[in-house]
Amino acid sequence: RKEVEQDPGPFNVPEGATVAFNCTYSNSASQSFFWYRQDCRKEPKLLMSVYSSGNEDGRFTAQLNRASQYISLLIRDSKLSDSATYLCVVKGGSQGNLIFGKGTKLSVKP
Amino acid sequence: DGGITQSPKYLFRKEGQNVTLSCEQNLNHDAMYWYRQDPGQGLRLIYYSQIVNDFQKGDIAEGYSVSREKKESFPLTVTSAQKNPTAFYLCASNMGPRGDTEAFFGQGTRLTVV
Repeated sequence: RKEVEQDPGPFNVPEGATVAFNCTYSNSASQSFFWYRQDCRKEPKLLMSVYSSGNEDGRFTAQLNRASQYISLLIRDSKLSDSATYLCVVKGGSQGNLIFGKGTKLSVKP
Repeated sequence: DGGITQSPKYLFRKEGQNVTLSCEQNLNHDAMYWYRQDPGQGLRLIYYSQIVNDFQKGDIAEGYSVSREKKESFPLTVTSAQKNPTAFYLCASNMGPRGDTEAFFGQGTRLTVV
């Protein structure tokens, strides 16, 4: 099992749709969890940290299920500007390294 | 302004040449990382360093070398032993094991073999 696995995508959705991204991780000792956004030919940028109680930032909601080792990101009322690749990132282990999922590409169409 | 800076943004290498990619941060971060990204692919870890004068191999270290002589700097050398070096190289930093902060990335270096 890969350390961090994401939906392979791509997701092609119309404006206004709700989109859900899923991610699983293999190391139960993982400590911190993040969602990053990467635009084409750019560096990844933090979208949200993911907290145990779940957290929301406007149209974005992140959830963590430690028992199932599962992280999710929900985007409501998607905009054209949400088109990007979304990366699930897990920090854990004794070294505290960052492990990236391969990313899921989202295209929002008019 | 605090941040992480990579240079150059674009780099061209001839076959058989070694090239060094620069990464500097003034965020007082302990940990620094180098990733490689190929078109349409995810980030793969090359090397990482949690503390000055110490670094560890990642998943694809062959053909690469690093040094960490200063906390602020983590240069990556792509050696002639790396058979397919054309890729997008990303450097990142964070607080390492002592903190839960996210990683910050440089703008990346696009390396092309000509």
